[in-house]
Amino acid sequence: DTGVSQNPRHKITKRGQNVTFRCDPISEHNRLYWYRQTLGQGPEFLTYFQNEAQLEKSRLLSDRFSAERPKGSFSTLEIQRTEQGDSAMYLCASSSPGRQGTGNTIYFGEGSWLTVV
Amino acid sequence: QKEVEQDPGPLSVPEGAIVSLNCTYSNSAFQYFMWYRQYSRKGPELLMYTYSSGNKEDGRFTAQVDKSSKYISLFIRDSQPSDSATYLCAMNRLGNTGKLIFGQGTTLQVKP
Repeated sequence: DTGVSQNPRHKITKRGQNVTFRCDPISEHNRLYWYRQTLGQGPEFLTYFQNEAQLEKSRLLSDRFSAERPKGSFSTLEIQRTEQGDSAMYLCASSSPGRQGTGNTIYFGEGSWLTVV
Repeated sequence: QKEVEQDPGPLSVPEGAIVSLNCTYSNSAFQYFMWYRQYSRKGPELLMYTYSSGNKEDGRFTAQVDKSSKYISLFIRDSQPSDSATYLCAMNRLGNTGKLIFGQGTTLQVKP
């Protein structure tokens, strides 16, 4: 499988616990994104890496959220002290610069579902 | 008001019908327009990608962009039950790579 891979696919955690999600992008893609999607809504941008550099973070990404991409390959998204409002699907996506504009064609993984109880 | 508006539906059509899905947007800076298909509890799958105004056709799918009206459409011809999914429009500004603004998604059901 050469697509974007996310693990774990599902996570149930108690409020206050920390959780970490991992994303392995398409191998030749140097850009990696995290989005969040709640039920009945479209995905919302959280953050974006080019290689190992985190270039942009959304206001949605509170201090409890941290994302890393240490070697410019896989990425992790950690949520500390989870709250019930964090329950959502966390989507990872990747893209390559390519021709002008094609960097906007981003490819999503299957998502990691988080349920905070 | 959201930057991208999309009727959530649900939209139910018989097999073989032509489906029209639409989004409106408010930001005139948007230049790139995409349609994604999302099956239940799966990630979005890129269907169509269009730059600026005009039409683009791919098999049974046609994407249209009317920047003067800030309106985009996706047409599905000869719809199949396997087309039953949520369709998300997404758009982006020139140079703002990868930070897509999505609509809410329209749920489509194609009945055999």
